[in-house]
Amino acid sequence: NAGVTQTPKFQVLKTGQSMTLQCAQDMNHEYMSWYRQDPGMGLRLIHYSVGAGITDQGEVPNGYNVSRSTTEDFPLRLLSAAPSQTSVYFCASSSIGEQFFGPGTRLTVL
Amino acid sequence: AQSVTQLDSHVSVSEGTPVLLRCNYSSSYSPSLFWYVQHPNKGLQLLLKYTSAATLVKGINGFEAEFKKSETSFHLTKPSAHMSDAAEYFCVVSGSSNTGKLIFGQGTTLQVKP
Repeated sequence: NAGVTQTPKFQVLKTGQSMTLQCAQDMNHEYMSWYRQDPGMGLRLIHYSVGAGITDQGEVPNGYNVSRSTTEDFPLRLLSAAPSQTSVYFCASSSIGEQFFGPGTRLTVL
Repeated sequence: AQSVTQLDSHVSVSEGTPVLLRCNYSSSYSPSLFWYVQHPNKGLQLLLKYTSAATLVKGINGFEAEFKKSETSFHLTKPSAHMSDAAEYFCVVSGSSNTGKLIFGQGTTLQVKP
């Protein structure tokens, strides 16, 4: 079991560029989520999914899109990167109870 | 709505002394509560969780937490701090019983002095 994997580990973008952060899990979990972590603010929920084809917004969804075409994958798209999106991004999956987190993607937007 | 407040942003203890990290929560239904730890430049690791069974929950690495409904608290304790405990700790409440959404506290940085 690889658990939750995220790619890339690090990324630098210029303002206005788009990119996709990849997330995959091999535990057959229904629930998957994306969080961003900023100093002094804990982790904040961006988007989440309760199953393939079903997504919903979290606390800070603006500037991000998601889709869930399979149980395994839950990519996060930045449509037009802004410096305010500089952060560490964590993907998580869960069945009932514990959430399992990926190792994170550190994104810098210049 | 659910929310969680970690009462200290930074806690400093000496090695071998007790650790207390404080957390208060707000929930409109019976919550699930968690403590996660994050070591520098690492991902998040689950320390322990409360899901309406025993109110005193034992976790990994000697940590435990007590769920007190009357005080809406879920404080994390450890009898004797170790240098390796230095990390950031997050108190977390489940946002809903069915979606897997988590609401994170702001985090408490634990410093352990030799």
